[in-house]
Amino acid sequence: AQTVTQSQPEMSVQEAETVTLSCTYDTSESNYYLFWYKQPPSRQMILVIRQEAYKQQNATENRFSVNFQKAAKSFSLKISDSQLGDTAMYFCAFIAYNTDKLIFGTGTRLQVFP
Amino acid sequence: NAGVTQTPKFRVLKTGQSMTLLCAQDMNHEYMYWYRQDPGMGLRLIHYSVGEGTTAKGEVPDGYNVSRLKKQNFLLGLESAAPSQTSVYFCASRHLRDSVTYGYTFGSGTRLTVV
Repeated sequence: AQTVTQSQPEMSVQEAETVTLSCTYDTSESNYYLFWYKQPPSRQMILVIRQEAYKQQNATENRFSVNFQKAAKSFSLKISDSQLGDTAMYFCAFIAYNTDKLIFGTGTRLQVFP
Repeated sequence: NAGVTQTPKFRVLKTGQSMTLLCAQDMNHEYMYWYRQDPGMGLRLIHYSVGEGTTAKGEVPDGYNVSRLKKQNFLLGLESAAPSQTSVYFCASRHLRDSVTYGYTFGSGTRLTVV
């Protein structure tokens, strides 16, 4: 069975600084996708970034980038130039190819301070 | 496009009461899911459906039933609500042939409180 672990329940960062959120996962599958979702106070689930396991290059979306270490089964999210609007709960998620279920970690609550 | 719409957005139930949460999507997605979100536990899959007329159990199915009579609708039922079912419930959908991005579309959630 696949599992996703987020070991940081809460993080805080000052505006304009950089913060890294950790995620590890466990799977015997070789082909899969990893995701980071953002959930602001509005409760909406927003896809931040996606990484295909077969791609060695780390995904980047503007101020958001990942450090994907397949052998270590690690998938961390780096937020550069943090903004107040980045304050939210962040979830790491995993899905294996040709399966039906997206599996979530327990989440990290990020607070960005002025 | 409305995407995924959940009804209601908020509800308070008394222990033992029953209710149905409705999820409707207008994207012709085959796959639909019900998750519950609890503090410190992330989102956990309750039930899901891979097509009209089919349903399957997820990680935490006990106390819930589902039906997918129409492709666009996925209903989550609580026959006898318990305080342990106090949670935020999310519906999501995905296109069967989206095997490239596995893009999920989420509803805005239903906050259910059982007293």
